[in-house]
Amino acid sequence: AQSVSQHNHHVILSEAASLELGCNYSYGGTVNLFWYVQYPGQHLQLLLKYFSGDPLVKGIKGFEAEFIKSKFSFNLRKPSVQWSDTAEYFCAVAGNTGFQKLVFGTGTRLLVSP
Amino acid sequence: EAGVAQSPRYKIIEKRQSVAFWCNPISGHATLYWYQQILGQGPKLLIQFQNNGVVDDSQLPKDRFSAERLKGVDSTLKIQPAKLEDSAVYLCASSLGGTGGFNEQFFGPGTRLTVL
Repeated sequence: AQSVSQHNHHVILSEAASLELGCNYSYGGTVNLFWYVQYPGQHLQLLLKYFSGDPLVKGIKGFEAEFIKSKFSFNLRKPSVQWSDTAEYFCAVAGNTGFQKLVFGTGTRLLVSP
Repeated sequence: EAGVAQSPRYKIIEKRQSVAFWCNPISGHATLYWYQQILGQGPKLLIQFQNNGVVDDSQLPKDRFSAERLKGVDSTLKIQPAKLEDSAVYLCASSLGGTGGFNEQFFGPGTRLTVL
């Protein structure tokens, strides 16, 4: 069965600090990997995705993630966070066949202090 | 383009009462999803429709939860009777659908249910 682990439940950073959020997954096959973000009071929205090819993917607002197959990881990074990055971040995995059921991690709540 | 609409946004009921949530997906989206997000957890898929047919309801507690998508557009999710542990945010999402390639899921604002 698919599963996703996010190691950091709460992260507090100062503006301009670098960010890395961990995500490990378990899935017996080819996967599609995603990071979703939920800003306060807003809908869950897609931040970036990996299907195949270059394991370093870039998303919106300066975020990037690296797929490391040997480690079953898909960590999210941003070199310099801003106060507006305060949000909850969810890692998710889906198979690449069938109806693409998304399995989410428990989320990481990021607070960026100005 | 209008997003996924859900109503109500908030609902408070007592245990053993019934409740229904409504979702209107993005126009033209064939696939509709209902997720349950309990506080401190990630969203968990309850049921997935392709047009008006169910393709995955393996995690739907069928003794108390039911969902339908008549005419392949709007959908309702019902809980009867509700239990305390049903307190959660219920998210609806939709995507273009199909089994080939990835179709991005677009999420609605959710309905926050509190069961007292």
